[in-house]
Amino acid sequence: DIQMTQSPSSVSASVGDRVTITCRASQGIRNDLGWYQQKVGKAPKRLIYAASSLQSGVPSRFSGSGSGTEFTLTISSLQPEDFATYYCLQHNSYPLTFGPGTKVDIK
Amino acid sequence: QVQLVESGGGVVQPGRSLRLSCAASGFTFSTHGMHWVRQAPGKGLQWVAVISYDGNNEYYADSVKGRFTISRDNSKNTLYLQMNSPRAEDTAVYYCAKGPDLHGRWSPDDWGQGTLVTVSS
Repeated sequence: DIQMTQSPSSVSASVGDRVTITCRASQGIRNDLGWYQQKVGKAPKRLIYAASSLQSGVPSRFSGSGSGTEFTLTISSLQPEDFATYYCLQHNSYPLTFGPGTKVDIK
Repeated sequence: QVQLVESGGGVVQPGRSLRLSCAASGFTFSTHGMHWVRQAPGKGLQWVAVISYDGNNEYYADSVKGRFTISRDNSKNTLYLQMNSPRAEDTAVYYCAKGPDLHGRWSPDDWGQGTLVTVSS
């Protein structure tokens, strides 16, 4: 199975800050990666697909990059509604595997 | 718009059975792979299973293989998860999620609100 790791596990940031989250795969997964945002008590919401494509309706302050084994999600200017937990998901091979999550909270 | 509504959750005793359903609307259900994903209380997301658009291909997480069965009824626009011999560690919110492609090989794009399953005696 492909293992996914994320760093940091949590980050405290202020409104307006630039936040970068890294996701690493235990083996190459091309660009078969999605990023999700989950708020407490809510279903996950896909932000990015194919590592760098922005989901329709998602603000342009979110961006994704990477290929192979290392990927990043960047929030260019953190907004109050962005405080949430973020997960990466590899879909290169079954079983699909999520990263453990990165919690973004208020500094 | 896409709607996915899960039902069937509740309290189930270890070793018994439970069937979850997911009613889909707002898209052509029969042309999309579908997933189940779960989240234990206070924990991260865990992928459970996927089924292709025609029901001919299924894949499972090792933790549920041989105990859970994913299926679909395209005439009813409904996805199912049959949970046999559940264990305490299967306690979670179960989400159904739509794949953007026929076989569920891409990251799910739309999700239901989830249904809570508690395995307890």
